Amino acid sequence: DADVTQTPRNRITKTGKRIMLECSQTKGHDRMYWYRQDPGLGLQLIYYSFDVKDINKGEISDGYSVSRQAQAKFSLSLESAIPNQTALYFCATSDPTGRGYTFGSGTRLTVV
Amino acid sequence: QKEVEQNSGPLSVPEGAIASLNCTYSDRGSQSFFWYRQYSGKSPELIMFIYSNGDKEDGRFTAQLNKASQYVSLLIRDSQPSDSATYLCAVMRDGQNFVFGPGTRLSVLP
Repeated sequence: DADVTQTPRNRITKTGKRIMLECSQTKGHDRMYWYRQDPGLGLQLIYYSFDVKDINKGEISDGYSVSRQAQAKFSLSLESAIPNQTALYFCATSDPTGRGYTFGSGTRLTVV
Repeated sequence: QKEVEQNSGPLSVPEGAIASLNCTYSDRGSQSFFWYRQYSGKSPELIMFIYSNGDKEDGRFTAQLNKASQYVSLLIRDSQPSDSATYLCAVMRDGQNFVFGPGTRLSVLP
C-alpha cells in the first residue's frame, strides 16, 4: 500500500459544483500539505497543517478549504469549482526534520 | 523576482553525458535544499537534499550548494534515457514549508 493515498485519481466536474479531494497517510507524520501543479508553474502551496488543530493558508488558498479529520487524514474542498481550478493536485506529508516530502500519486481534476 | 528559479528547458544531453541542472533562490535565510524528479503525470520523488556548502554525492547524482551565490545545482553523470524527466528544485525556509521552482525538463537522447 502507498504511504500517501489520494482519492479520486481523476475527476471531471462541472462549474459551480462542490468537490472534495481526500488524502490519507500511513507515515505517522504530523505535517500534511496540499499543492496544485499547473504546467510550467511548479508546485503551489494551497493549505498546510502541522497537527490536527493547526490549519494554515498557503500562497493560493482562495476558493479552497481544508479539513484535518485526524493525524492521518487531510481533505481539500472546492466549494464552487471553476475552470481555472483545473490542475493536478498533490497531497504530501513530512516529518519535522524537513528531510523532504512524501507525495501522493495526485488527483487530476478537470472543471468544465 | 521569483523565490526559486530554474531554466524550464528542455535540456537535451546525449546518453552517457553529464547533465547539469541549476537553481537559484532569493531568500538568504533558506536552510535546506532539495532536488525532486518528476516523470510526466506522476508525483515528485526525492532524489537528494543538501544543507551545507559544497558537494554531496549519491551514486550518479551530485548536489552542489553555494550559499554565498545563492545557487544549488544537480549533476547527473552517465545520463540514461530513464533520467528523462522534470527536475524540481525546492528550498526550505524557516524550518517549515518548501518553495518549489518551476522545474527543468531534461531529455536524454539515446
